[in-house]
Amino acid sequence: QSVLTQPPSASGTPGQRVTISCSGGSSNIGGNTVNWYQQFPGTAPKLLIYKTNQRPSGVPDRFSGSKSGTSASLAISGLQSEDEADYYCAAWDDSMQGWAFGGGTKLTVL
Amino acid sequence: QIQLQQSGPGLVKPSQTLSLTCAISGDSVSSNSAAWNWIRQSPSGGLEWLGRTYYRSKWYTGYAVSVKRRITINPDTSKNQFSLHLNSVTPEDTAVYYCARARGWIEDWGQGTLVTVSS
Repeated sequence: QSVLTQPPSASGTPGQRVTISCSGGSSNIGGNTVNWYQQFPGTAPKLLIYKTNQRPSGVPDRFSGSKSGTSASLAISGLQSEDEADYYCAAWDDSMQGWAFGGGTKLTVL
Repeated sequence: QIQLQQSGPGLVKPSQTLSLTCAISGDSVSSNSAAWNWIRQSPSGGLEWLGRTYYRSKWYTGYAVSVKRRITINPDTSKNQFSLHLNSVTPEDTAVYYCARARGWIEDWGQGTLVTVSS
């Protein structure tokens, strides 16, 4: 049972815009920034978005993040086949005094 | 460019202690701006933060409630690494274990170690 709630799956066709949601509470998303990770099978997660809407160097601007209240979203525009991966949200949780993760969303490019 | 190199056994017997090490290159375990974390990923895929250690004029540690009674994370300044010890393991502790650096957010990950708890 993950602290943050994500849909288990999402899908889209090449070129489409897809959004993945992440729902939490006042102790995590509500009071802190959100980070997103991309993970391919057999590899470690890779930082995709930090501080809710910042992209590390090398991450395409097709990826964007946002937050409203206790929910956050990852948007992928111009969907490409290589975007097929698992996506995780994370936020510091002030009650837990630790990092809270979402359960992950498997993105399929049809 | 930081590198986190994990080492440790991939098979642990039930009731024994799981021990992993994360060697750091490109940063210092004593950094005043980083925290050194252990995270695991269950076979079902979810990520679970286990704990962290960091130095801010003195050493601090923090652990997830779910493992607090069984876990120890130690820094080793002489070897620039940190370790995870999880005792009294059960098959439910079977997972891929990752070490990770956080500087405001978790940004760098080790390669992961699959640890199976089985007799």
